[in-house]
Amino acid sequence: TQLLEQSPQFLSIQEGENLTVYCNSSSVFSSLQWYRQEPGEGPVLLVTVVTGGEVKKLKRLTFQFGDARKDSSLHITAAQPGDTGLYLCAGATLTSGTYKYIFGTGTRLKVLA
Amino acid sequence: KAGVTQTPRYLIKTRGQQVTLSCSPISGHRSVSWYQQTPGQGLQFLFEYFSETQRNKGNFPGRFSGRQFSNSRSEMNVSTLELGDSALYLCASSLSLAGYGYTFGSGTRLTVV
Repeated sequence: TQLLEQSPQFLSIQEGENLTVYCNSSSVFSSLQWYRQEPGEGPVLLVTVVTGGEVKKLKRLTFQFGDARKDSSLHITAAQPGDTGLYLCAGATLTSGTYKYIFGTGTRLKVLA
Repeated sequence: KAGVTQTPRYLIKTRGQQVTLSCSPISGHRSVSWYQQTPGQGLQFLFEYFSETQRNKGNFPGRFSGRQFSNSRSEMNVSTLELGDSALYLCASSLSLAGYGYTFGSGTRLTVV
């Protein structure tokens, strides 16, 4: 069974602090996505990374895909209350001609003003 | 452009009843996937449809079924509801099967009493 472990599970920080969320697996992924989900809503896609070692930046968010395409990290600089939410990673694997997604266990972030 | 639309947003059903949830994908998106989200299990894959054909199916009992219409709209049905079926059911659409992630709807919150 493929697993995608995220750490930490919960994170409560003050506005202005930096943080890193990790997403780890023993499986190799064709691509990896990060989503943010707010209460009562569906996840919103933040980024897709496809190349080992790839780094993508989205304003204060930096995403990195591991060289072996088994892990990823999300770094937030100077966190703001608007960053509060559930962060999910999802890995895609190509099996029998179709892509299957495994979602991570989630990191619940709360940024205090 | 309009996002992924799920109806209804909230639903309360009695154990043993059946329920049908509806999803309208983003215009032009031909792939529709369904997920169940619970606090304990996270996001669990139910099934994926592309051009009216079921491409993938998750590990859920046969009480869970779905279909996709020629206009890409999709429905999922759960028969003989159990208390454990209480969850947020999320529909997600994508333009193709390329493995670059989804656009999710806001979900249908199903409560079984």
